[in-house]
Amino acid sequence: DVKVTQSSRYLVKRTGEKVFLECVQDMDHENMFWYRQDPGLGLRLIYFSYDVKMKEKGDIPEGYSVSREKKERFSLILESASTNQTSMYLCASSLNFGGENYGYTFGSGTRLTVV
Amino acid sequence: AQKITQTQPGMFVQEKEAVTLDCTYDTSDQSYGLFWYKQPSSGEMIFLIYQGSYDEQNATEGRYSLNFQKARKSANLVISASQLGDSAMYFCAMREGDDKIIFGKGTRLHILP
Repeated sequence: DVKVTQSSRYLVKRTGEKVFLECVQDMDHENMFWYRQDPGLGLRLIYFSYDVKMKEKGDIPEGYSVSREKKERFSLILESASTNQTSMYLCASSLNFGGENYGYTFGSGTRLTVV
Repeated sequence: AQKITQTQPGMFVQEKEAVTLDCTYDTSDQSYGLFWYKQPSSGEMIFLIYQGSYDEQNATEGRYSLNFQKARKSANLVISASQLGDSAMYFCAMREGDDKIIFGKGTRLHILP
């Protein structure tokens, strides 16, 4: 069964800590995405990547960075965690657009609490 | 301006009734795709159905159908014969151009026994 795996289901971090959220997919997908989900706001795109070592800013990149050193792994980094980054973080992957696209495969999410 | 609008923050429906979840979208692209995802309380996002902008027939997947009205830019999800397990958050989403997908704010559906 194909999968997108997020390393942590729940995470509690202190304000100012550097936080790494890891995402690994085993489907050989080119595209990977990080979203955050907040009540009443839906899913908002933070960063995405179309290929190894490539990254693009999404709608809310401030306070975040990403790393994609290998095709299967896409890491989200909170350089200095703040309480307003408490949220559910969802990773997703997809094949390159150019034909039929049936959307993303999502990981199960990481619920991050910054205290 | 919002690209995806879901006007129903929450809905309550009696079990076995049909449900329509509203979604309107905004795009100037000719080629785009529309999606619906379900998110149960466990948090995972489950792909339900897809409609391409050039598809002339409405997409169907089991009890799910997408009522695609291109001129109105509407892509409502219809769930027939609702079940208790359909209680979840539902997101409408759109892909345009470069493979990013934009999500609406969601509709929380409650199925009543």
